Amino acid sequence: EIVLTQSPDTLSLSPGERATLSCRTSQSLIDNSLAWYQQKPGQAPRLLIYGTWNRATGIPDRFSGSGFRTDFTLTISSLEPEDFAVYFCQQFGISPRWTFGQGTRVEVK
Amino acid sequence: EVRLLESGGGLVQPGGSLRLSCATSGFTFNNYAMSWVRQAPGKGLEWVSAIDGSGGDIFYADSLRGRFTISRDNSRDTLYLQMNSLRAEDTAVYYCAKYSYDRGSFSFDVWGQGTMVTVSS
Repeated sequence: EIVLTQSPDTLSLSPGERATLSCRTSQSLIDNSLAWYQQKPGQAPRLLIYGTWNRATGIPDRFSGSGFRTDFTLTISSLEPEDFAVYFCQQFGISPRWTFGQGTRVEVK
Repeated sequence: EVRLLESGGGLVQPGGSLRLSCATSGFTFNNYAMSWVRQAPGKGLEWVSAIDGSGGDIFYADSLRGRFTISRDNSRDTLYLQMNSLRAEDTAVYYCAKYSYDRGSFSFDVWGQGTMVTVSS
């Protein structure tokens, strides 16, 4: 099973600041099949990024994804108030065990 | 608009059973694989099971050890999860999620709102 490790666990930032979230996989994702989701309290996860860098429908361009093999990054260029939430990465590289990272909470500083 | 609506959660005693349903609309159900994902209170997301569009290919998380069964009724556009021999550690919100394949990559592009399962005596 591929293990995904996200860092940091919590990121304390102010609105307008840049957020950089990391997701490291225990095995290389040769096809870069990594997705990112946002989850707010009491809500279902929402797809942000798929295939490492593709934004899902309706996702603002302040969200961007990058990475290669085992190291992946979600960047929020300038935090809006609605961006404070928990973010999960998920791998689709090794089927069918679609494992998730443990999550990074982005909180208001 | 694509919609997924889970139901069937509730309080069940250890060793009991529950059947979750996920009613779908807004897309051609039998063209898409579907999945169940769960989230224990205050914890992260855990993939549970997946089924392809025809119901012919089925996968489970290793931790379930044959206690859960995923199925689908394409005539009703509905996904199911039969959960047997439930344990306290199965307590979680259970989400159904629709697979998407785009630009060479998979994702769960639409999620239901979830249904809470509580296993307790």
